[in-house]
Amino acid sequence: EAEVAQSPRYKITEKSQAVAFWCDPISGHATLYWYRQILGQGPELLVQFQDESVVDDSQLPKDRFSAERLKGVDSTLKIQPAELGDSAMYLCASSLGLTGQYFGPGTRLTVT
Amino acid sequence: EDQVTQSPEALRLQEGESSSLNCSYTVSGLRGLFWYRQDPGKGPEFLFTLYSAGEEKEKERLKATLTKKESFLHITAPKPEDSATYLCAHSGYSTLTFGKGTMLLVSP
Repeated sequence: EAEVAQSPRYKITEKSQAVAFWCDPISGHATLYWYRQILGQGPELLVQFQDESVVDDSQLPKDRFSAERLKGVDSTLKIQPAELGDSAMYLCASSLGLTGQYFGPGTRLTVT
Repeated sequence: EDQVTQSPEALRLQEGESSSLNCSYTVSGLRGLFWYRQDPGKGPEFLFTLYSAGEEKEKERLKATLTKKESFLHITAPKPEDSATYLCAHSGYSTLTFGKGTMLLVSP
């Protein structure tokens, strides 16, 4: 069964450092999402791509976060510089139209 | 503002004790109501999508139903392996808005 791949699974970084996460969606899924999930909360959308174009990045803190999906397939989310409050689970999901979104295993980020 | 409220926040059941989880929503133009299961430290696992009031979907011991303002996830004769956090989300004119989830613990 096809799955969304993410790496790394865990990342520990010091504040003010740069960090990057990678996501490979299910083959053929044109829509890709990055979410942030704080413990005890539901996922919150950071950015949504349709192919290589950003559809919604209204909740992305653009002073320190950036995301790209250059060829409309895999995607990278970057944080620079990382802050203590960025510690969370970062989830990538993909979907085909209005069907359910399929999530990857996530990257657990700890900023010290 | 689109909102999703799930209740209860946590639920403890004995194995075999059936119950229901609630998801109430306010959204401008519902395009879908989604249920996910999330195990600790893992990404959410897609369970169901419901599109219109009166619709029902089933999977093993789980059944999801939808009205105009609420969705229920009914769990029949749960087993310990059903222990997880269950997330509800709706899709309005924008993307998914998630609730905080219901943490379910099923004891043997």
